[in-house]
Amino acid sequence: DAGVTQSPTHLIKTRGQQVTLRCSPKSGHDTVSWYQQALGQGPQFIFQYYEEEERQRGNFPDRFSGHQFPNYSSELNVNALLLGDSALYLCASSQGPQLNTEAFFGQGTRLTVV
Amino acid sequence: GEDVEQSLFLSVREGDSSVINCTYTDSSSTYLYWYKQEPGAGLQLLTYIFSNMDMKQDQRLTVLLNKKDKHLSLRIADTQTGDSAIYFCAGNQFYFGTGTSLTVIP
Repeated sequence: DAGVTQSPTHLIKTRGQQVTLRCSPKSGHDTVSWYQQALGQGPQFIFQYYEEEERQRGNFPDRFSGHQFPNYSSELNVNALLLGDSALYLCASSQGPQLNTEAFFGQGTRLTVV
Repeated sequence: GEDVEQSLFLSVREGDSSVINCTYTDSSSTYLYWYKQEPGAGLQLLTYIFSNMDMKQDQRLTVLLNKKDKHLSLRIADTQTGDSAIYFCAGNQFYFGTGTSLTVIP
């Protein structure tokens, strides 16, 4: 079992560009959540996808959008990148969106905006 | 959203107990979680507690929840060097604290 896999592992983008990050959930999981973790901070919840729909959303602007595919994999898109978007982006998968279900995290994508 | 606060650093000697504390502002979280993050790694779920419980024990880990004071703690018994990491508390898996860096001194 490969667990939660994220790609790419590292990425450098220029301010104003757009970026797409990808996440494959753990086998058997159908729910994907995305988090932004700035250096020295805790993860901040961006949104959660279940049944190809956004189910929950944190306090992030519309520049952050996502998608879930029929195979449960997910993408996070960020438009008009700002220097402040530089962070580790974590994806977590779980079996269903219930609050007590265990979430497994990927290793993250380190995004640097210059 | 919910504000979750933790002390930044904790240092203990190997074999001692560690207690990591967390305070939160919103009582609506149904579940409260503890995660461990090692350098360069993702987060690993350690344990969680349902909001109507006061205590949960899982091997070396003991979670205490004081709903009145909105305070959550994680006690690690017989702390080992492998326990050195950053520990996060979280409400409903959506609201994470700032993390506590635990250093275990051999």
